[in-house]
Amino acid sequence: NAGVTQTPKFQVLKTGQSMTLQCAQDMNHEYMSWYRQDPGMGLRLIHYSVGAGITDQGEVPNGYNVSRSTTEDFPLRLLSAAPSQTSVYFCASSYNRGHRGEAFFGQGTRLTVV
Amino acid sequence: ELKVEQNPLFLSMQEGKNYTIYCNYSTTSDRLYWYRQDPGKSLESLFVLLSNGAVKQEGRLMASLDTKARLSTLHITAAVHDLSATYFCAVGGYNFNKFYFGSGTKLNVKP
Repeated sequence: NAGVTQTPKFQVLKTGQSMTLQCAQDMNHEYMSWYRQDPGMGLRLIHYSVGAGITDQGEVPNGYNVSRSTTEDFPLRLLSAAPSQTSVYFCASSYNRGHRGEAFFGQGTRLTVV
Repeated sequence: ELKVEQNPLFLSMQEGKNYTIYCNYSTTSDRLYWYRQDPGKSLESLFVLLSNGAVKQEGRLMASLDTKARLSTLHITAAVHDLSATYFCAVGGYNFNKFYFGSGTKLNVKP
C-alpha cells in the first residue's frame, strides 16, 4: 500500500493563478481532509469529506474548493492564489468504524505564492 | 468550536532529563491522538488514546488521557537527541469526522 499520496511536493504560483493539489489514498478510507500548516499555528482544517460525493468546510475554507467523486481521490483547488495561501498543505485519510480513527497523512505540498 | 492548546510551544532540554508536554482541549472528546513531525516531513502517528485513564508507552515516551479534566500529557523519560521533533496532539476523529490540532511543541534535545 502506498498510503496517502500527494502531488506535487513543491509548487510556486504567481498571484491570481489557479491550481489543483492532488491527493489519493489506497486504504479504502471513508474520511479525507485537507489541512494547511503555518508556523506556530499547528494544522488547520480547510475542507473535509465523509465519503464520495459529500464534502464540507473546515476552519479556513475561503479561497479553496474540493470535490470527491471517488473514495480514493480528494483534490484541493486554489481558485485564485494569494500570498496568504503560502503554506504547507497536508492531505489526510482516516477510517472510523470500529477502528482507532487516527489520520494518515500524505508527504505534504509546499506552496509558495509570489 | 473545539480548541486545543499545547504547552510549552518550545522545549529545549538536555539528554537524560525528563519532561512533560501538556495538551488541553475545550469540549468533550473520547479520542486523543499524538503525532510526531520531523523537519520538512509529514506527521507520524505515535499514540491513540481512546478512553479516560488510557495510558500508552513506546520507548521513552508515555502518553495519558484524563477526559474529565480534558487533558492529555506526553511524558519524556531520559530524553535522547533522536527525540528532537515537533509533537502535536489532536482531538476528534470519531464522531467529529475531523481533527483539531494543537499548535505543536518543538522539542530540541541537546547532546
